[in-house]
Amino acid sequence: SQKIEQNSEALNIQEGKTATLTCNYTNYSPAYLQWYRQDPGRGPVFLLLIRENEKEKRKERLKVTFDTTLKQSLFHITASQPADSATYLCALDTDGSARQLTFGSGTQLTVLP
Amino acid sequence: DVKVTQSSRYLVKRTGEKVFLECVQDMDHENMFWYRQDPGLGLRLIYFSYDVKMKEKGDIPEGYSVSREKKERFSLILESASTNQTSMYLCASSGSSYNEQFFGPGTRLTVL
Repeated sequence: SQKIEQNSEALNIQEGKTATLTCNYTNYSPAYLQWYRQDPGRGPVFLLLIRENEKEKRKERLKVTFDTTLKQSLFHITASQPADSATYLCALDTDGSARQLTFGSGTQLTVLP
Repeated sequence: DVKVTQSSRYLVKRTGEKVFLECVQDMDHENMFWYRQDPGLGLRLIYFSYDVKMKEKGDIPEGYSVSREKKERFSLILESASTNQTSMYLCASSGSSYNEQFFGPGTRLTVL
């Protein structure tokens, strides 16, 4: 099964800067990768999905890259705002069946005003 | 607006009690999931179901069972609650393979 590492449990950045979060995985390359946002005491909320044949995906101030050679995804938030403060989780197809996901433990992002 | 609801936000039970956690989705999704979330361990899959009356074990099924009698409802059962089952329990659903999962608000269960 997959093992996922989201480096740095916590990341603090200044408002207006770009936040970059990392998701590394072992074993086989998944067919797709997803990113979620989770606020304290709430369930995760889906943000973006990127497929193995896509190098990059954008949505407003969010950008996700997927490098199957490095077995890594980067998640960027440009022009960050205090409202972006949350925990961000990456999730991968667990076993190639696309039926279930394996989640990373998340990176807690704090955007300082 | 899509919705996944869970029967309780907070629950306190005693060791040995039988505990039922219910989850309902209104999106006609085939797939439903139960996770638990603990600090430093992230989300771990307990069980999932891809059809009515179907279930599959996730990574940590021991001490849990599930029931899916109707498409919109997925129940998690702790047959005999133990203190190490104190956790945040999250239910999710998804429409089909590759699709994003929609999560409920979570149930914070404390077993004393």
